[in-house]
Amino acid sequence: DIQMTQSPSSLSASVGDRVTITCRASQGISNYLAWYQQKPGKVPKLLIYAASTLQSGVPSRFSGSGSGTDFTLTISSLQPEDVATYYCQKYNSAPFTFGPGTKVDIK
Amino acid sequence: EVQLVESGGGLVQPGGSLKLSCAASGFTFSGSAMHWVRQASGKGLEWVGRIRSKANSYATAYAASVKGRFTISRDDSKNTAYLQMNSLKTEDTAVYYCTRHRSNAFDIWGQGTMVTVSS
Repeated sequence: DIQMTQSPSSLSASVGDRVTITCRASQGISNYLAWYQQKPGKVPKLLIYAASTLQSGVPSRFSGSGSGTDFTLTISSLQPEDVATYYCQKYNSAPFTFGPGTKVDIK
Repeated sequence: EVQLVESGGGLVQPGGSLKLSCAASGFTFSGSAMHWVRQASGKGLEWVGRIRSKANSYATAYAASVKGRFTISRDDSKNTAYLQMNSLKTEDTAVYYCTRHRSNAFDIWGQGTMVTVSS
């Protein structure tokens, strides 16, 4: 099975900072990569699918890139409401594995 | 309103069984693949399994951790998906979410239902 890894596992940044999270698949998954945001105590929310397509209603400060095995999620200007854990996920075929998550908070 | 509502969670003893339901509304349920994802307290998201639509022969797939113990089914006439959990273990304790899978990944999530496996 394909394994998903993320780095860093956590980060702390200032409001307005540019934040980058990396996700790596152990084998190529084309662009079948999604990013989810889960705020404390809340349900996961789809941010980006197909590696770089923004889900409707998601602020444009979020962006995704990558293909094959290496992917990134970027928040161009971190806002207080972005405090959350971010998960990547492969969704091309079973098992639909999630990455371990990256916890983002405000410095 | 597009919505998924889970129910059926609760406290069960190790070795016991529980059946979760996921009621859908506001979209064409019969054409959608449905998944179950779980999250233990303080842990990450774990994919549990999925069932595809009738057009895809209601194909199911499961995580290795639950294969042979959990079964996913659906009743398109009731717009409901189910997760039958047998031979439950303490490590199955988690919040269980149902979610819709379309071309844009898992775009709709329910609020989750808590399953506690404990003696």
